[in-house]
Amino acid sequence: AQKVTQTQTSISVVEKTTVTMDCVYETRDSSYFLFWYKQTASGEIVFLIRQDSYKKENATVGHYSLNFQKPKSSIGLIITATQIEDSAVYFCAMREASSGSWQLIFGSGTQLTVMP
Amino acid sequence: NAGVIQTPRHKVTGKGQEATLWCEPISGHSAVFWYRQTIVQGLEFLTYFRNQAPIDDSGMPKERFSAQMPNQSHSTLKIQSTQPQDSAVYLCASSLGPNYAEQFFGPGTRLTVL
Repeated sequence: AQKVTQTQTSISVVEKTTVTMDCVYETRDSSYFLFWYKQTASGEIVFLIRQDSYKKENATVGHYSLNFQKPKSSIGLIITATQIEDSAVYFCAMREASSGSWQLIFGSGTQLTVMP
Repeated sequence: NAGVIQTPRHKVTGKGQEATLWCEPISGHSAVFWYRQTIVQGLEFLTYFRNQAPIDDSGMPKERFSAQMPNQSHSTLKIQSTQPQDSAVYLCASSLGPNYAEQFFGPGTRLTVL
């Protein structure tokens, strides 16, 4: 069965520092996609970054990067040079590639607070 | 390009009334998804369409919930005889196609059932 687990409920950091958010997943599929989304205080859910399971290189977009450890079924999100506006809830999600369904399975989210 | 549009943004219904939620996907996107978000259950998949055809409704409550996509520019989620436990934010998302796995979300409709 598919499952995505985020054990960190909340994290607080000082701005301009680096933060890492953890995510582990379970799947029987040999091919899958992993995503990180951000939900702002207004409720908007924004796609941040994606990692395809067959790619060995960690994805990077702007000041977001991933730490993909396939043997550990782990996909951590790293935010460098954090800004106040990075404060949000961050969701990890997975989609299996081989199944007929394109549904996303979400983790429970991590609340990030960036303090001045 | 406009993002995913959802209307209404807020809806209040009385117990037993019907609620219809609307979604307009991003133009050119072939897949449309419905999710529900609550504090207790988090983000849950409900159903999705690909090229207007229903593909997977495994997350839909079997009674009272139905979804349609009559044309490529909009989808509806209908909840009959709403109950207080249906109160949630209902989110619509769309994606470009099989090689573009990321989904783009609308602002959601907050449904409150009194």
